[in-house]
Amino acid sequence: SQQGEEDPQALSIQEGENATMNCSYKTSINNLQWYRQNSGRGLVHLILIRSNEREKHSGRLRVTLDTSKKSSSLLITASRAADTASYFCATAWTGDSNYQLIWGAGTKLIIKP
Amino acid sequence: EPEVTQTPSHQVTQMGQEVILRCVPISNHLYFYWYRQILGQKVEFLVSFYNNEISEKSEIFDDQFSVERPDGSNFTLKIRSTKLEDSAMYFCASNGQGVDEQFFGPGTRLTVL
Repeated sequence: SQQGEEDPQALSIQEGENATMNCSYKTSINNLQWYRQNSGRGLVHLILIRSNEREKHSGRLRVTLDTSKKSSSLLITASRAADTASYFCATAWTGDSNYQLIWGAGTKLIIKP
Repeated sequence: EPEVTQTPSHQVTQMGQEVILRCVPISNHLYFYWYRQILGQKVEFLVSFYNNEISEKSEIFDDQFSVERPDGSNFTLKIRSTKLEDSAMYFCASNGQGVDEQFFGPGTRLTVL
């Protein structure tokens, strides 16, 4: 069964605006990670939030996690054209170092200059 | 900064042929993974590997697939008899003991004709 589901599937905003993407998941998790992928390219790790954390910041990124709702959001503030990419959430359910990531379908973000 | 590398970046093969995709994980990492992403779809877990053996594998990872760590640096994925539906981007990832983030390589795009 699918674990992560992002919404919206696609988001188009003007440069300078904030972009919010959401992710929902089904099972218990140990951590949730957000990745970015430029078209047809590799996966770049953005931020990790653990199940006992509620909010985390990294630069222009803010991630929240609500384990009661099994959901997370990624906020990119003051968006730039270079933020255009697909954004994926991925969850890990085990606390072991050896774990598989279960991925969502992604949100395609387009920043219009 | 250390990174995961993958070769080749693009592999084209005929249906039924064997392919070997190669990865060099980050040198002090202990846990290794293969994921794949069919064009336009979500990333899917294939297999995890630790201490020279498979830790976990998905339903996708059938007996046509195998992994190997032939030496201290390489980690390979072999597909014995490729099918059209094996066409995808294949990502290698690794992480260290006690490190939650998985670091991804740039991917190998496999095209089966």
